[in-house]
Amino acid sequence: GAGVSQSPSNKVTEKGKDVELRCDPISGHTALYWYRQSLGQGLEFLIYFQGNSAPDKSGLPSDRFSAERTGGSVSTLTIQRTQQEDSAVYLCASSYPGQQETQYFGPGTRLLVL
Amino acid sequence: AQSVTQLGSHVSVSEGALVLLRCNYSSSVPPYLFWYVQYPNQGLQLLLKYTSAATLVKGINGFEAEFKKSETSFHLTKPSAHMSDAAEYFCAVSATNTGFQKLVFGTGTRLLVSP
Repeated sequence: GAGVSQSPSNKVTEKGKDVELRCDPISGHTALYWYRQSLGQGLEFLIYFQGNSAPDKSGLPSDRFSAERTGGSVSTLTIQRTQQEDSAVYLCASSYPGQQETQYFGPGTRLLVL
Repeated sequence: AQSVTQLGSHVSVSEGALVLLRCNYSSSVPPYLFWYVQYPNQGLQLLLKYTSAATLVKGINGFEAEFKKSETSFHLTKPSAHMSDAAEYFCAVSATNTGFQKLVFGTGTRLLVSP
């Protein structure tokens, strides 16, 4: 079946602009995660959704970052007033109920803030 | 809290040689442990995972890893390297006592394979 998909694959934006990154998890996967991969910080957890429950936002680096998940499926990560340090690869992952320890990753969105 | 240390940001081997990528973890509770591989401009692919069953775990592409509690290690090995193994490898840990399995990653090891 189809894997986790993310769009866009690449995004270039100007400092101060808002961006939206999209993630489509694997069908039937109830858990969804966002991670960020940057040169300075490595791979960092950002946020976690489980079904329609309130998300765990403990990894979000600032209040400029937010995410939502509609209908327990597609998720959008929004970064407001982007800064150059937001440049990174944003990875989405999903996992199956009862096997949440195994996360399947999408190809990522490469964000460059000029 | 959990953490992972990967020794060596780069490892170089010749084709056909043994691959050994080192990972040590720290966890206050029994961990789940993972190895992921990332090829250029791609996402992470799960190689193998340890979830408290057998301590020797076999994964895809001929890789295996052994969980050693006494050494808090989970090193990744492959008997004979192929050119196609050149990639970045990440070790990760997650706690077994949390409501979800947040992954904590190491800094990664880039494997270089020469002919």
